[in-house]
Amino acid sequence: DIQMTQSPSTLSASVGDTVTFTCRASQSINNWLAWYQQKPGKAPKFLIYKASSLDSGVPPRFRGSGSGTDFTLTISSLQPEDFGTFYCLQYYSVPYTFGQGTNLEIK
Amino acid sequence: QVQLHQSGPGLVKPSQTLSLSCNVSGGSMNGHYWTWVRQTPGKGLEWIGNIYDPANTRYNPSLKSRVSFSIDMAKMQFSLEMTSVTAADSGVYFCARYPSGGPLPFDLWGQGTLVTVSS
Repeated sequence: DIQMTQSPSTLSASVGDTVTFTCRASQSINNWLAWYQQKPGKAPKFLIYKASSLDSGVPPRFRGSGSGTDFTLTISSLQPEDFGTFYCLQYYSVPYTFGQGTNLEIK
Repeated sequence: QVQLHQSGPGLVKPSQTLSLSCNVSGGSMNGHYWTWVRQTPGKGLEWIGNIYDPANTRYNPSLKSRVSFSIDMAKMQFSLEMTSVTAADSGVYFCARYPSGGPLPFDLWGQGTLVTVSS
């Protein structure tokens, strides 16, 4: 199985800040990487596919990048609704696997 | 607008079978992989597998011996059965849509079902 490792596990930031999360795959997944945001008691919300393409309706302050094994998600001009836990998902090969998540706390 | 709505019991006894269903509304089931994902305290988010049609299923090897999927496109529904459950299977189970043939992963999700395995 491909292991997905996210860092940091927790991040605290203020409204207006720019934050960056990382996700590392244990082997190359080309750019078959997605990002999700999850809030307590809710299903994950799909944000980004193919490492850098935003899903419809996702604000442009979200930006994904990377390929191969190393990926980043950057959120610029942080808004209060951006809190939650962010997960990466590799869908390059079965079994598809998620990272363990980065919890973004808004100060 | 396509929506997924889950149903099924939230409490299952150890060693028994967990059964969940996911109803699809607002669109066609054709051309998609219908997916199950769970979120447990022990393993976080875990892909259980998906079904395209009755003859085309993929399972996570770690769960394959205990899991089966079914699909009824006329009823716009797909289902999960997991046998011999233990406390480690307690968590939130989600159904999701995985469009085939394109770049999108799991783009639409059900609301989630909290499953507790307890006697």
